[in-house]
Amino acid sequence: KNEVEQSPQNLTAQEGEFITINCSYSVGISALHWLQQHPGGGIVSLFMLSSGKKKHGRLIATINIQEKHSSLHITASHPRDSAVYICAVYGRGGAQKLVFGQGTRLTINP
Amino acid sequence: DTAVSQTPKYLVTQMGNDKSIKCEQNLGHDTMYWYKQDSKKFLKIMFSYNNKELIINETVPNRFSPKSPDKAHLNLHINSLELGDSAVYFCASSFRAGGDIQYFGAGTRLSVL
Repeated sequence: KNEVEQSPQNLTAQEGEFITINCSYSVGISALHWLQQHPGGGIVSLFMLSSGKKKHGRLIATINIQEKHSSLHITASHPRDSAVYICAVYGRGGAQKLVFGQGTRLTINP
Repeated sequence: DTAVSQTPKYLVTQMGNDKSIKCEQNLGHDTMYWYKQDSKKFLKIMFSYNNKELIINETVPNRFSPKSPDKAHLNLHINSLELGDSAVYFCASSFRAGGDIQYFGAGTRLSVL
């Protein structure tokens, strides 16, 4: 079993819908990343968080350290949000590598 | 100005050949990484360098050898290419090791025939 699990693996929605992607992890972490990989292949870091909540435009990321769970929300989704969203964690105790989830493929239809 | 640039973007080669992928970052970061993304889009760390020093070396065949001539460059050389090496390889950098936002290159799609 992977240390970082995402759900769902695939998600299709209509434009305008509220989107939630979940990430659960089984190890102690120092920080969690949400990344976006566009159909063209490039990877962009959306958020890095270690507690609470962060917001950027229509994107919101939350994390619950006690429950080892994070969510990425997209409000008023748009076809340009179609991408693979990847959760990744930095372990605690000096572990300097990111461990990745398997990604969630999001498709927003017009 | 591209922050993290990789070359080439595509690499098609025969089994048994040796090839290199180059990576350069102009962000002034201390730490650079190589990742492999398999056909299922799963990303995994291969190597990490901090100020030209190797700090992460995952279970990667000896045929893969990273080289960091200075902290702005991290190259990946692959000897005796095998079919299973076909993947997308991403370079990334961060200001420091562990816990920082990482900036990714556009990826190099390697196809071994």
